[in-house]
Amino acid sequence: SQELEQSPQSLIVQEGKNLTINCTSSKTLYGLYWYKQKYGEGLIFLMMLQKGGEEKSHEKITAKLDEKKQQSSLHITASQPSHAGIYLCGADLGAQKLVFGQGTRLTINP
Amino acid sequence: EPEVTQTPSHQVTQMGQEVILRCVPISNHLYFYWYRQILGQKVEFLVSFYNNEISEKSEIFDDQFSVERPDGSNFTLKIRSTKLEDSAMYFCASRPNRDEKLFFGSGTQLSVL
Repeated sequence: SQELEQSPQSLIVQEGKNLTINCTSSKTLYGLYWYKQKYGEGLIFLMMLQKGGEEKSHEKITAKLDEKKQQSSLHITASQPSHAGIYLCGADLGAQKLVFGQGTRLTINP
Repeated sequence: EPEVTQTPSHQVTQMGQEVILRCVPISNHLYFYWYRQILGQKVEFLVSFYNNEISEKSEIFDDQFSVERPDGSNFTLKIRSTKLEDSAMYFCASRPNRDEKLFFGSGTQLSVL
């Protein structure tokens, strides 16, 4: 079974629409990270959440970590073509093992 | 912003050959990682390294794999006898401490023929 489950696996939205990507763990997370990957390229850091109930925003992207620290969501407002890519949530599962979910492939249609 | 550097960007090798993938982490970072991503699949954790020893490794990281920090700046991943299924993008990452984000290199695309 996956240590981190992301949903949906893929998402197609019209430019200008809002969207949400979710990341769930069965374990309490020590730290939750959101990264973006463009096809065939490296991982670009978006945000890090560490405290239960924490919420962070950067430009049109908002990430939240629930109080139990087992679920996170990434919300994009008024999506643009530049938001297209693969969004990955990652988490420290104790010690020094940071693992990633399977990713959400986001396509923005003009 | 400082960067993690990986070389080469592409490597082609014959099955059964040894390969060494090289990484230069950011200079003041203490924690080092290797990940791999098979085409179209998830980014998979291979190994973490701290204080000159392996901290954690996944089930993928078997006896064919080894890591080394030979000179205080480079961090290498060696695959002793490559298999076809080792074909993947390999990412190196580092962070200054374990509560910080990971900084990723741009990856080495390994193709085993």
